[in-house]
Amino acid sequence: AQSVTQLDSQVPVFEEAPVELRCNYSSSVSVYLFWYVQYPNQGLQLLLKYLSGSTLVKGINGFEAEFNKSQTSFHLRKPSVHISDTAEYFCAVREFQGAQKLVFGQGTRLTINP
Amino acid sequence: DADVTQTPRNRITKTGKRIMLECSQTKGHDRMYWYRQDPGLGLRLIYYSFDVKDINKGEISDGYSVSRQAQAKFSLSLESAIPNQTALYFCATSTSGSVGETQYFGPGTRLLVL
Repeated sequence: AQSVTQLDSQVPVFEEAPVELRCNYSSSVSVYLFWYVQYPNQGLQLLLKYLSGSTLVKGINGFEAEFNKSQTSFHLRKPSVHISDTAEYFCAVREFQGAQKLVFGQGTRLTINP
Repeated sequence: DADVTQTPRNRITKTGKRIMLECSQTKGHDRMYWYRQDPGLGLRLIYYSFDVKDINKGEISDGYSVSRQAQAKFSLSLESAIPNQTALYFCATSTSGSVGETQYFGPGTRLLVL
């Protein structure tokens, strides 16, 4: 069975600063990797996903993530954050085969300070 | 109109009451899911359905039941609500025809059990 660990429950940063949200996963088989974002009082929406190919994945709103198979990580980055990036971010994994269920991490709350 | 809708958006009920949360989708997806979100725990899968005749338990199905009335409708029932079922509930959909199977989420139902 796969599992996901988001290493920081809360990350406060100043506006226009860079940010990295960390995600590590565990699985005995190959997986697809996802980052979802949840803005206040809203549902989740897909930020980006890694399926195969280039390990650097670009998503919406200037976010990108890098898949590192040897470290089983999929960290999310943005070079310069905006107040509107304040949200909760979820990392998730899904096995290629088998039960094909999405397993989520605990979430990281990103707070942008002016 | 939203592709995935949930009703009600907010619900307050008392311990022991039976309640139903409803989910409808216009995306034409065959797969539907129910999750609950609790602070610090991320999203956990309650039930999922890969088509109308295929319903499966997730990791936390105790105390819940579901009904897939049609491809577009998937309902979650709490037969006898208890306070620790107070949470934010999300419905999601995906299609088996897509690589990686991105899930699309509804806006959520906030449930308070007194």
